[in-house]
Amino acid sequence: QKEVEQDPGPLSVPEGAIVSLNCTYSNSAFQYFMWYRQYSRKGPELLMYTYSSGNKEDGRFTAQVDKSSKYISLFIRDSQPSDSATYLCAMSGSSASKIIFGSGTRLSIRP
Amino acid sequence: EAQVTQNPRYLITVTGKKLTVTCSQNMNHEYMSWYRQDPGLGLRQIYYSMNVEVTDKGDVPEGYKVSRKEKRNFPLILESPSPNQTSLYFCASKSRSSEQYFGPGTRLTVT
Repeated sequence: QKEVEQDPGPLSVPEGAIVSLNCTYSNSAFQYFMWYRQYSRKGPELLMYTYSSGNKEDGRFTAQVDKSSKYISLFIRDSQPSDSATYLCAMSGSSASKIIFGSGTRLSIRP
Repeated sequence: EAQVTQNPRYLITVTGKKLTVTCSQNMNHEYMSWYRQDPGLGLRQIYYSMNVEVTDKGDVPEGYKVSRKEKRNFPLILESPSPNQTSLYFCASKSRSSEQYFGPGTRLTVT
């Protein structure tokens, strides 16, 4: 079993829809949870960063962490075609250098 | 501009011919990492470095070497490349309190 599981998609939704992306994990030592966005032929860029359980909102993006269920989510409101990308979840424990990534979900927003 | 640079961006080589992919960051970050990205497997850490002269294996270190003689540089060395090392490689850097910044990627093909 992988430490971090993420549905690879692809996921295709119409413009303006609410998108929900999810990851599950098995290691209860994870404390830091991240979502990265990766456009085609580019390196990943950090979207959201949360510590421990709870919600964090940044514009149209909301990250949720439920440590009791070992489940994290990223919600995108009012989705735009420019949100079309691969979204990777990532997490780490107390070591800042050891980050485990999910396999990524490919998202397409239809105009 | 804060950035991580990698060279070359694209490389086609033959089995057994030693190669080096360079990585440099201008943010004075302590931590640097190398990842490979393969379809369905996401980003997997090859090696990481917590500071000058301090390196450690990630999840998939076999067939790779690294060195960290200066804080800004973290080259990835393939002494005898094989076709199963054909992949997209990313260098990344971070400080203890910052997000992780990724380079633009190096697409390597070994024939």
